[in-house]
Amino acid sequence: GAGVSQSPRYKVAKRGQDVALRCDPISGHVSLFWYQQALGQGPEFLTYFQNEAQLDKSGLPSDRFFAERPEGSVSTLKIQRTQQEDSAVYLCASSSQGVDGYTFGSGTRLTVV
Amino acid sequence: GDSVTQMEGPVTLSEEAFLTINCTYTATGYPSLFWYVQYPGEGLQLLLKATKADDKGSNKGFEATYRKETTSFHLEKGSVQVSDSAVYFCALSDRGDNFNKFYFGSGTKLNVKP
Repeated sequence: GAGVSQSPRYKVAKRGQDVALRCDPISGHVSLFWYQQALGQGPEFLTYFQNEAQLDKSGLPSDRFFAERPEGSVSTLKIQRTQQEDSAVYLCASSSQGVDGYTFGSGTRLTVV
Repeated sequence: GDSVTQMEGPVTLSEEAFLTINCTYTATGYPSLFWYVQYPGEGLQLLLKATKADDKGSNKGFEATYRKETTSFHLEKGSVQVSDSAVYFCALSDRGDNFNKFYFGSGTKLNVKP
């Protein structure tokens, strides 16, 4: 597609549930990033993929967070046993040429109740 | 570590007023600096960027100059429009960081009244 597509757009989860958030990057983009944006804050880096390799996961806040990109295209961010503090907008971005080619998706708004 | 600090909002202006949103940064390497804009319900969009000291980024009437001596990258526009109402994020990417991830400020919401 023309842009980065994220689904679902909104997700409400009960505390303790597992959730999976999907990102479809721009076709051919090698780099894929996940960011977490809490209410009223700027996005914070979670993890980075180059093709299928996860090269940086230093931003993942706990071992409940897991991301994968098995075929180097679509990526899934999984959060296990969700907590209230996980409520945020999760942004995906893809790039073909570092920061100059970054394109962000519209995000998935996760609300944990 | 790398970080960005920007003025808190919201900023409320009348149409055609002058806009300044302050942004300062801390970086260990050689950062590139960016302003992103987020309209309601949409993703982040690149507004402008500057890659080295004294560079000026500009787009859609917005400007920002990379000031290394004051570690600043303030966003300015001479005459705002209602359609400029959005949240603006200052960001940096450190060239010393191989993976080109961004460090964002907390965002400044701009409301422009007709």
